[in-house]
Amino acid sequence: ETGVTQSPTHLIKTRGQQVTLRCSSQSGHNTVSWYQQALGQGPQFIFQYYREEENGRGNFPPRFSGLQFPNYSSELNVNALELDDSALYLCASQTGRSVDEQYFGPGTRLTVT
Amino acid sequence: ILNVEQSPQSLHVQEGDSTNFTCSFPSSNFYALHWYRWETAKSPEALFVMTLNGDEKKKGRISATLNTKEGYSYLYIKGSQPEDSATYLCAYDNYGQNFVFGPGTRLSVLP
Repeated sequence: ETGVTQSPTHLIKTRGQQVTLRCSSQSGHNTVSWYQQALGQGPQFIFQYYREEENGRGNFPPRFSGLQFPNYSSELNVNALELDDSALYLCASQTGRSVDEQYFGPGTRLTVT
Repeated sequence: ILNVEQSPQSLHVQEGDSTNFTCSFPSSNFYALHWYRWETAKSPEALFVMTLNGDEKKKGRISATLNTKEGYSYLYIKGSQPEDSATYLCAYDNYGQNFVFGPGTRLSVLP
């Protein structure tokens, strides 16, 4: 077990809706990253938060946004859902920003119809 | 754009066989490479963090080597068991800011 949890496990939404995915990191892990894994691909980096500030962003549009809270939980919000947003969303936490293992949650499977 | 590749895409071996697969990554400005083992419906599990050229790390029957000058890493599994069946991901560590993952190698070990 990695100590990182995500909710919900599965989610079905309709195109145009908004969704919030949640992640709970290990205590003391100040950095959280979010990834999108589409079928047949490796996880793609969405963004990273360090001490509640965005610390880097991948090639994803602004309708993907995030929040990190002092209690080591975080959220990924996606507005105006598109069919291509259907994927597995993973969060990963680590203690800091240096070379360090990232501890992954089991993911949330989002289906957009 | 950083590109990380893995081969083969999938692999079927018999129980007891040894196997290996490859991760290729940009050789310039290398920082670190991570290997993960990912079973279906579970969280990816960290196997190794590799930082130095020539690094060789081992965990039980699984080992990994690193060549930063030519930009590749090998993962070896000795005497494969059915419980080794999983997707093996490598991730190029972009100076701690984010990981760039390869597409993974899906290993199936047949009893």
